[in-house]
Amino acid sequence: SQQGEEDPQALSIQEGENATMNCSYKTSINNLQWYRQNSGRGLVHLILIRSNEREKHSGRLRVTLDTSKKSSSLLITASRAADTASYFCATARGSTLGRLYFGRGTQLTVWP
Amino acid sequence: GAVVSQHPSWVICKSGTSVKIECRSLDFQATTMFWYRQFPKQSLMLMATSNEGSKATYEQGVEKDKFLINHASLTLSTLTVTSAHPEDSSFYICSAPNPGQQTGELFFGEGSRLTVL
Repeated sequence: SQQGEEDPQALSIQEGENATMNCSYKTSINNLQWYRQNSGRGLVHLILIRSNEREKHSGRLRVTLDTSKKSSSLLITASRAADTASYFCATARGSTLGRLYFGRGTQLTVWP
Repeated sequence: GAVVSQHPSWVICKSGTSVKIECRSLDFQATTMFWYRQFPKQSLMLMATSNEGSKATYEQGVEKDKFLINHASLTLSTLTVTSAHPEDSSFYICSAPNPGQQTGELFFGEGSRLTVL
């Protein structure tokens, strides 16, 4: 089964609001990554947080990681219509670098 | 920045035919590439790890004779869906590790949508 599970599955908000997506995983990790996918397109890497980090920022993105709860959250502040996409968390399995397992994703819709 | 190119972006074929999808790393070398499959509104399922110069490593439940993977060079991996059937219709995406990082970040191609009639 896939490693990560996001919730909610779908999120609909207005521009300017914040969007929070959560991810839970099952086994120990070295890092956790978040990716974005526009409809019908490939994925784009957003941010990576290491297992020894608790919080990380990148522009309007804020990621947290709680290894005790095996969970992570992605916060997008001041959302824009262009943020509409699916967001996936991903964790690694095994020693092969880049061999990632993805959660189900959160479909975010931001209304203008 | 590094880019992964995938071709074709979409293909329609008749049942029983074979389809080849190419994945290229445009400005970097990739000894390893990964092939994923995605059904509508679902997550990405890792199919196999493509290894340059050796056999691909398939995930459990993925038929290696059905999904032939060849990593012909340090910049090219191909996925051939053999004797395609309608249930093989899906979105196939390849990826390669970011060469500038050692954390497992991936660059993804734009995906190939396969429709088998």
